[in-house]
Amino acid sequence: EAGVAQSPRYKIIEKRQSVAFWCNPISGHATLYWYQQILGQGPKLLIQFQNNGVVDDSQLPKDRFSAERLKGVDSTLKIQPAKLEDSAVYLCASSLMSSGGGTQYFGPGTRLTVL
Amino acid sequence: AQSVAQPEDQVNVAEGNPLTVKCTYSVSGNPYLFWYVQYPNRGLQFLLKYITGDNLVKGSYGFEAEFNKSQTSFHLKKPSALVSDSALYFCAVSLADAGKSTFGDGTTLTVKP
Repeated sequence: EAGVAQSPRYKIIEKRQSVAFWCNPISGHATLYWYQQILGQGPKLLIQFQNNGVVDDSQLPKDRFSAERLKGVDSTLKIQPAKLEDSAVYLCASSLMSSGGGTQYFGPGTRLTVL
Repeated sequence: AQSVAQPEDQVNVAEGNPLTVKCTYSVSGNPYLFWYVQYPNRGLQFLLKYITGDNLVKGSYGFEAEFNKSQTSFHLKKPSALVSDSALYFCAVSLADAGKSTFGDGTTLTVKP
């Protein structure tokens, strides 16, 4: 079974530029999560999708971050414009279950450096 | 609001000795508790979870964890540590009706030969 795929693995941009990350979840997983992991901290949920609908985006900085999952499968997270404090690893995860008991399967992450 | 505390940034043990990585949580309602492990340059991997039932949960690679409701703790344990267990460990909590997980800041486990 293929795991969660993410691209790119690494990205370096200058502040005020835009960037996009892509995620393809495990086949059949209806729930998809985007996390931000700053160095030395645990992952922080940015947005959770159930199929193509948003379940929770309470911690997504909506003035600069956006995410979509148009066909209920793969997803894109965008930052525009980027700030220095956006430097982090962006993790995508998927789960069969939308409830709290579902095990999340994580991709390798995209390491973003904003200069 | 839910939260997770991992009080130790670093745990060092000798190979063959037992290990414990501590986790306490705060949540309104019945918690679901998870442990994940992160190896360098790789994503998080699921180790084990507590949903309901037996307070002692067994997971991958010989790890286990004990749910203690009165102490709001979910410590990760292994009877005999291996050098290959060296990694970053995260505890997470969620509620039954929502998939949103809150993660601790992680504990780096180093097992020395």
